Amino acid sequence: DQQVKQNSPSLSVQEGRISILNCDYTNSMFDYFLWYKKYPAEGPTFLISISSIKDKNEDGRFTVFLNKSAKHLSLHIVPSQPGDSAVYFCAANVGGAGANNLFFGTGTRLTVIP
Amino acid sequence: DTGVSQDPRHKITKRGQNVTFRCDPISEHNRLYWYRQTLGQGPEFLTYFQNEAQLEKSRLLSDRFSAERPKGSFSTLEIQRTEQGDSAMYLCASSFQTGEGEKLFFGSGTQLSVL
Repeated sequence: DQQVKQNSPSLSVQEGRISILNCDYTNSMFDYFLWYKKYPAEGPTFLISISSIKDKNEDGRFTVFLNKSAKHLSLHIVPSQPGDSAVYFCAANVGGAGANNLFFGTGTRLTVIP
Repeated sequence: DTGVSQDPRHKITKRGQNVTFRCDPISEHNRLYWYRQTLGQGPEFLTYFQNEAQLEKSRLLSDRFSAERPKGSFSTLEIQRTEQGDSAMYLCASSFQTGEGEKLFFGSGTQLSVL
C-alpha cells in the first residue's frame, strides 16, 4: 500500500521556468514532509521539509506548499536550472517518529532543458 | 568529514551465494539506517541502529538478512543464500537528530545484482 504517491514519473521544463513537482499522501496522521533529490550514482540528499503547522516553507529557489485538506504537497523550483535535473522523492512521517517510519514516494525525474 | 560511505558500489553474485555490504556513517551520527530501493520505487526502510543497538527491523527483512553495528561505528548488512528478488540498491543513511526534523544523510548505495 503506497501511502505517499508521486503520480508523475517524469517532468521536463525549460531553463528559467518554474518546475512544479506534486505529491499526494493517504495517511492523515502524517504531519512532517520532506523532499529529497537524487542524482545518478549518488544517494538521495535532503532538500527541504515542512511541518503540518505550516502551509509553506521557502529556501532560496525551492518552496514547498502543503494542502492538508487535500493531502497534497508540491515543490516549486524557480527559476529552474540544468543542475536541478535529478529524481525528486517526496517523503512523509508522523511527527516525533524517526526515519524508521519515513515513507517515500516513487519519485519524479525532472529534466531541465537548457 | 566525507559523508556516508558504502562499499562495494556494485556487487554481482550468483543465486545462493552470501554477500556482505559495509557502511561507514558520518562519525558524530548516532543513528544508522539501511534502506532498499528497487527500480521505479522510492527507498524502503529495512532496519536501523541507535549507537550499537538494532532497534527495529522491517517486515521486508527476511531471516536471510542480518545487520550489525559493532561499537556503534560502521555497519554491515549480510544477505545469505541470495535470491534474484534481492537485486536492488541498498542504501545506508545516518542522522544525528531524532523525531521530527530528522534529516538523513545517504551514502551512494550498493547495487546488488543476483544472477
